[in-house]
Amino acid sequence: GENVEQHPSTLSVQEGDSAVIKCTYSDSASNYFPWYKQELGKRPQLIIDIRSNVGEKKDQRIAVTLNKTAKHFSLHITETQPEDSAVYFCAASWEGGSEKLVFGKGMKLTVNP
Amino acid sequence: SQTIHQWPATLVQPVGSPLSLECTVEGTSNPNLYWYRQAAGRGLQLLFYSVGIGQISSEVPQNLSASRPQDRQFILSSKKLLLSDSGFYLCAWSPPALPGRFGSGTRLTVV
Repeated sequence: GENVEQHPSTLSVQEGDSAVIKCTYSDSASNYFPWYKQELGKRPQLIIDIRSNVGEKKDQRIAVTLNKTAKHFSLHITETQPEDSAVYFCAASWEGGSEKLVFGKGMKLTVNP
Repeated sequence: SQTIHQWPATLVQPVGSPLSLECTVEGTSNPNLYWYRQAAGRGLQLLFYSVGIGQISSEVPQNLSASRPQDRQFILSSKKLLLSDSGFYLCAWSPPALPGRFGSGTRLTVV
């Protein structure tokens, strides 16, 4: 089955810096890669996603890149703000199949003012 | 629009007691449904998923079971809770691209 590895597990940056979270996946059949942000005590919320037919997607200060050959994908946050502090999860899924998401272990991002 | 409801929000149960968590989905039919567990400070572990009524797949061996008595209802149960069952339980549905994919979660503390 699919296995998703995520690193680093924690990251602390100064406000205004950039943050990058990297994930690798094992199943080449996976074709959908969402990123979730989970604030303390709350449910994970989808922030951006990418499908295997594109290599990069941007939404304001966040962007995701996908390298299908290497089976890794990354989340980039620019101009970080204190409200970006949360746990970020990457995930992989095969749309069109059972669509079950397999999550990475998460990365706790702290943005210091 | 599609919504997912999960209850209760918090639960404190003694060791050895039974458990029943319920999840319902509105605004769609024949969804794929999932139960995830998140231990404190840890990642999301898929426990069960269901592609239809009465169809349950278990991802990991454990003290829990799941049932889907109706198309849009998914129930997580245990006959006897263990301390290690404590955690944050999240119901979810497909497709995964929807922002409202997860229920609000149930924080279970087994004492």
